[in-house]
Amino acid sequence: QKEVEQNSGPLSVPEGAIASLNCTYSDRGSQSFFWYRQYSGKSPELIMFIYSNGDKEDGRFTAQLNKASQYVSLLIRDSQPSDSATYLCAVGLASNYQLIWGAGTKLIIKP
Amino acid sequence: SAVISQKPSRDICQRGTSLTIQCQVDSQVTMMFWYRQQPGQSLTLIATANQGSEATYESGFVIDKFPISRPNLTFSTLTVSNMSPEDSSIYLCSVDSTGGTEAFFGQGTRLTVV
Repeated sequence: QKEVEQNSGPLSVPEGAIASLNCTYSDRGSQSFFWYRQYSGKSPELIMFIYSNGDKEDGRFTAQLNKASQYVSLLIRDSQPSDSATYLCAVGLASNYQLIWGAGTKLIIKP
Repeated sequence: SAVISQKPSRDICQRGTSLTIQCQVDSQVTMMFWYRQQPGQSLTLIATANQGSEATYESGFVIDKFPISRPNLTFSTLTVSNMSPEDSSIYLCSVDSTGGTEAFFGQGTRLTVV
């Protein structure tokens, strides 16, 4: 069974600090990794994707991938109250087009 | 990214009835997916809607309960049949990106069965 694990949280971070969200996956052959943000009552929206080992930066967001350890993380710098949401990790399987979803981590940014 | 219109956005339905949810995309896409998300939970894939053939259902979901149509590359429907309160959930339509596997979502349909 292919699995994606996330800490459900909530993760509470003071405003302006760095929020660190982690995700591990079981399928060693996975090729693509995604972070989605979901506000309460809304549908998920893609914020970052990463395919290669290392770091990928986009504004305040940095995705980190370590295929050897089978984990992917998302760092949010200078956290803002508007970053408060549930963050979903999704992993693309090597075998087909499907995404396997983690349960999500609820992030709370405290002013 | 594709623009996805899903409707209705919400509905309250009587048990035993059926509801059809529509998903319209502004461009042709290969893959369309239907998910369910129960309160506080992550996404559960119901099925993949295939153009020109039957949908591919995930374990625990059957065609009689969740019939799906995919008449062309920009449109799909999901019907929730013979509804019970346990079907109360958010239903999401999703499409893949051209050349990639990232998913884009419609606004979702919040279904309440009473």
